[in-house]
Amino acid sequence: DQQVKQNSPSLSVQEGRISILNCDYTNSMFDYFLWYKKYPAEGPTFLISISSIKDKNEDGRFTVFLNKSAKHLSLHIVPSQPGDSAVYFCAASLNTGTASKLTFGTGTRLQVTL
Amino acid sequence: NAGVTQTPKFQVLKTGQSMTLQCAQDMNHEYMSWYRQDPGMGLRLIHYSVGAGITDQGEVPNGYNVSRSTTEDFPLRLLSAAPSQTSVYFCASSPLVGAVHTQYFGPGTRLTVL
Repeated sequence: DQQVKQNSPSLSVQEGRISILNCDYTNSMFDYFLWYKKYPAEGPTFLISISSIKDKNEDGRFTVFLNKSAKHLSLHIVPSQPGDSAVYFCAASLNTGTASKLTFGTGTRLQVTL
Repeated sequence: NAGVTQTPKFQVLKTGQSMTLQCAQDMNHEYMSWYRQDPGMGLRLIHYSVGAGITDQGEVPNGYNVSRSTTEDFPLRLLSAAPSQTSVYFCASSPLVGAVHTQYFGPGTRLTVL
């Protein structure tokens, strides 16, 4: 049972346009949602997060929106740049009392074209 | 600050062999974890630790052992390698207070089991 889903395996966007990456989840107990970016042959790097009590968080060109009623979040990148080409993982955090465990989606490969 | 380091970067094993994947962090993080990444599966949690002497199972623990004797190190042991354990393995760490949801990942170990 996949609790975090990224239904688009890939996305191609022109440089300067908006990239929108989507993520759906099923567990209403998740307390934080995060986006990680991964380049080939490297580990994932943290990009941006949002608390489950917020509906928007912005950091420069990156904005994450959370719709709790729909159990859906999205990452907007504006404007998209060629260096943004990478695999983006959505992750959800569950506080177990002793630690926060992350559940990852399967990733969306973003290609930003010139 | 080296962050999270993993050795080796690449490894080829024969079925039945054992080996240890090394992970170390110099950020004094209490929480450390191991993930495996397989095509189309995202990252899945194998084992995690909230401090020296404390470990617990994640989503896919079978075939793997861990121990945590120091804050810095969190090795992952494959007892008897199987082809199904061919994967890319990532180690991650985070603090238990403050930015608990932001995990810092190592560069990964690509393991092939023949």
